[in-house]
Amino acid sequence: SQQGEEDPQALSIQEGENATMNCSYKTSINNLQWYRQNSGRGLVHLILIRSNEREKHSGRLRVTLDTSKKSSSLLITASRAADTASYFCATVTFTGANNLFFGTGTRLTVIP
Amino acid sequence: DGGITQSPKYLFRKEGQNVTLSCEQNLNHDAMYWYRQDPGQGLRLIYYSQIVNDFQKGDIAEGYSVSREKKESFPLTVTSAQKNPTAFYLCASSTRDRFQPQHFGDGTRLSIL
Repeated sequence: SQQGEEDPQALSIQEGENATMNCSYKTSINNLQWYRQNSGRGLVHLILIRSNEREKHSGRLRVTLDTSKKSSSLLITASRAADTASYFCATVTFTGANNLFFGTGTRLTVIP
Repeated sequence: DGGITQSPKYLFRKEGQNVTLSCEQNLNHDAMYWYRQDPGQGLRLIYYSQIVNDFQKGDIAEGYSVSREKKESFPLTVTSAQKNPTAFYLCASSTRDRFQPQHFGDGTRLSIL
């Protein structure tokens, strides 16, 4: 079953602005990952944050994780038109197979 | 280049027909996955395999079947028992390390004639 919910469902910003997407999940996790999907394409992995980490950076991406609130956020700074895509969070639990449980996604549109 | 190849990109199914979607990887990954994506939705797991000759049902396995005879290949058959097969199907692979990401193919879009 899908474990995550993302907020907002859609986000439209001007180029150069920052974009923030939020993800909530339901059960204890081993790690949380963010993926990007361009229209009609497969998913591309962006960043992984472990359950014992609170913040992680990669280029213009900043991810936070609050395990007490079972939530995460993805910040994209200085957005570009090429950042237009859908963004998904996905969680991995401690037990069982290495399966990803995906959220419903945020559709980001960056206006040039 | 290492990666995952899904074929065909577009597929049409007639009523009562089984169709098979191909997924091949050359990343030497042990684990492979099939997901279904409906418009505006996240991904739902159909089947997964952690090792050759073994596979497990995911959340929505009814009406689908898979095989894993080779490490590189994990074909998905959409059977006539799947009454609403129109969707975007994504294949992925990974190592069995929980801290490694999954790598995705570019998907197959299945439609009903």
